[in-house]
Amino acid sequence: DAGITQSPRHKVTETGTPVTLRCHQTENHRYMYWYRQDPGHGLRLIHYSYGVKDTDKGEVSDGYSVSRSKTEDFLLTLESATSSQTSVYFCAISESQSGETQYFGPGTRLLVL
Amino acid sequence: SQKIEQNSEALNIQEGKTATLTCNYTNYSPAYLQWYRQDPGRGPVFLLLIRENEKEKRKERLKVTFDTTLKQSLFHITASQPADSATYLCAAGKAAGNKLTFGGGTRVLVKP
Repeated sequence: DAGITQSPRHKVTETGTPVTLRCHQTENHRYMYWYRQDPGHGLRLIHYSYGVKDTDKGEVSDGYSVSRSKTEDFLLTLESATSSQTSVYFCAISESQSGETQYFGPGTRLLVL
Repeated sequence: SQKIEQNSEALNIQEGKTATLTCNYTNYSPAYLQWYRQDPGRGPVFLLLIRENEKEKRKERLKVTFDTTLKQSLFHITASQPADSATYLCAAGKAAGNKLTFGGGTRVLVKP
């Protein structure tokens, strides 16, 4: 998975609790992305980062925040988890030069009860 | 809003035949289209990229076309094998490092 790890790989949590998912890369790629994947919706972009401390919203950013304090780490926080945020979350990275191809992590399966 | 659509029905195909998948886009003029493969429980893996000024791209048994008039990309797997069974995702983008918009994916099942 191109030097990308996600943690945790599985998590069960309760409605209303904060949750943080971590994406770690060893490729020194500039761009990092968080997606969620749900049946019938495909992959949808939550937030992305184009450099340290530079982030922007994707199409489904409500209820999520991100931080990138180091090149290698991109954190996704669910401020107050809801059942609608039950999903599989994927992190992806891409280089600044070729830019277009994205390399995905193994995913985090999150269940909000 | 921009939309990328793939056939949501699974494609069942006999080993050795050619599988053809369709990706249509609306309200969008992508600079490139990409195809990814996703196996159950795993992240997508990049297969091919085709730019708007290219009509066709090949990689081993894979071929992808890009028709800007029809607003469509076709993805072909020739001489399909059971190991090709997976979900295939189409994605469209505008510029390097920019956001990709994904289709919902088409599941392919190759029967021996």
